[in-house]
Amino acid sequence: AQSVTQLDSHVSVSEGTPVLLRCNYSSSYSPSLFWYVQHPNKGLQLLLKYTSAATLVKGINGFEAEFKKSETSFHLTKPSAHMSDAAEYFCVARYGNKLVFGAGTILRVKS
Amino acid sequence: SQTIHQWPATLVQPVGSPLSLECTVEGTSNPNLYWYRQAAGRGLQLLFYSVGIGQISSEVPQNLSASRPQDRQFILSSKKLLLSDSGFYLCAWRGGTADPSGNTIYFGEGSWLTVV
Repeated sequence: AQSVTQLDSHVSVSEGTPVLLRCNYSSSYSPSLFWYVQHPNKGLQLLLKYTSAATLVKGINGFEAEFKKSETSFHLTKPSAHMSDAAEYFCVARYGNKLVFGAGTILRVKS
Repeated sequence: SQTIHQWPATLVQPVGSPLSLECTVEGTSNPNLYWYRQAAGRGLQLLFYSVGIGQISSEVPQNLSASRPQDRQFILSSKKLLLSDSGFYLCAWRGGTADPSGNTIYFGEGSWLTVV
């Protein structure tokens, strides 16, 4: 079955420290992969996407993600967290006509 | 350029009342259309997707239904709302295989539904 697993439902970091949000996908082939962010009471915003070009994808607001086929992973990282990064993050995979979402990871940034 | 409109943005409905959320896409043709729901404290759940007019696939059995009367219009409905239908509903679209934006998913701003 096609699925996306976000390994942490909550992540808490201090401002200025690195962020790692983990995502694994399951499939017999490599899907297109996306990371979205949702701030409270807001719609979804695309951070970055992987579509079989470079395996290291750079997105907005200093985020980047690395596609690792051998590990079926697409983890999201940022070198230094900012207070404004506090939000819920979704890893999404597209399998043909279907979009499959992870359950989401809530990122908390402490001052 | 392509845009997506979703309305209403917020609504409060009593239990047992009907529901209609509408989504329209501009600037593209034959998009794949999706309805998602995010219930409080939970992730996004795919409700319906459509690859063409009149073609609806349901991912989760519930008292909701979807229709696609026109190529770029996608409607989410319910005849009788339940308390558990409260949540944040998102319409999304993706370009078809002939669309250069086929690998990008676009979301509406969402609709906040509170059933009381």
